[in-house]
Amino acid sequence: DQQVKQNSPSLSVQEGRISILNCDYTNSMFDYFLWYKKYPAEGPTFLISISSIKDKNEDGRFTVFLNKSAKHLSLHIVPSQPGDSAVYFCAASANTGGFKTIFGAGTRLFVKA
Amino acid sequence: DTAVSQTPKYLVTQMGNDKSIKCEQNLGHDTMYWYKQDSKKFLKIMFSYNNKELIINETVPNRFSPKSPDKAHLNLHINSLELGDSAVYFCASSLTTGTGNTIYFGEGSWLTVV
Repeated sequence: DQQVKQNSPSLSVQEGRISILNCDYTNSMFDYFLWYKKYPAEGPTFLISISSIKDKNEDGRFTVFLNKSAKHLSLHIVPSQPGDSAVYFCAASANTGGFKTIFGAGTRLFVKA
Repeated sequence: DTAVSQTPKYLVTQMGNDKSIKCEQNLGHDTMYWYKQDSKKFLKIMFSYNNKELIINETVPNRFSPKSPDKAHLNLHINSLELGDSAVYFCASSLTTGTGNTIYFGEGSWLTVV
C-alpha cells in the first residue's frame, strides 16, 4: 500500500535545462510535503517543503508545486546542474496515524554536462 | 560536526547473530526514528521515539528492539539476524513529532547478512 508514489525511477536531463520530478499521493489527510535529496552512501538531506495550504514554494533553483485536487506534487529544478545528480525522495506527513512521514521510492536524476 | 551520527556504517554478519546499531543526535531534538531502506529502495519507518518514549512501532518483527537511554540516543538491536534483514538502516531525528517537522537523517548503516 504505497501512499506516496514516484512513478519514474529515473530521469535524465541536459545541464541548464529544467528537471521536473513528479510525486503522487493517495491519502487526503497529508498536509505537509517534503523533498529530500540523496547522494550515494549518504543519508537523505532535506531540500524543500510545502504546506497543504500553499500551492507553490520556491527556494533558489528549486520550486515545489502542489495540486491538492489531483493529489500531485512536483519538484522543478532550473537550471539543472551536474551536481544535482542524485536520488530525490518525495515525502508526506499527516497529524494522524502517529505523525508518520511516508516516503516514495525515489527518482534518480542524471544531469548531463 | 555531524548532526545525526550512526555506527557502524558497514556491517557484515552471519545469520543467527545478534547485532546493534547505535545512533546519536546533537541537534537537541525530541524525536528520533529508525527507517529501513530495502532492496526496492523504499524508506520505511520502523520506530519513532519522542523524549525516550516509543510512539510509533510499525509491524516490525520483535527481533528488532530499539532502546532510547536518553532523547539524544536511539539504538537498534537486532536478534537472530535473517537474510531478509539485509538493508540500509537510517537513524533520523526531528525537533518534535507532528506534521511540519523536517526529519534529519544519519548517513545510514549498511547491514549485510550472509
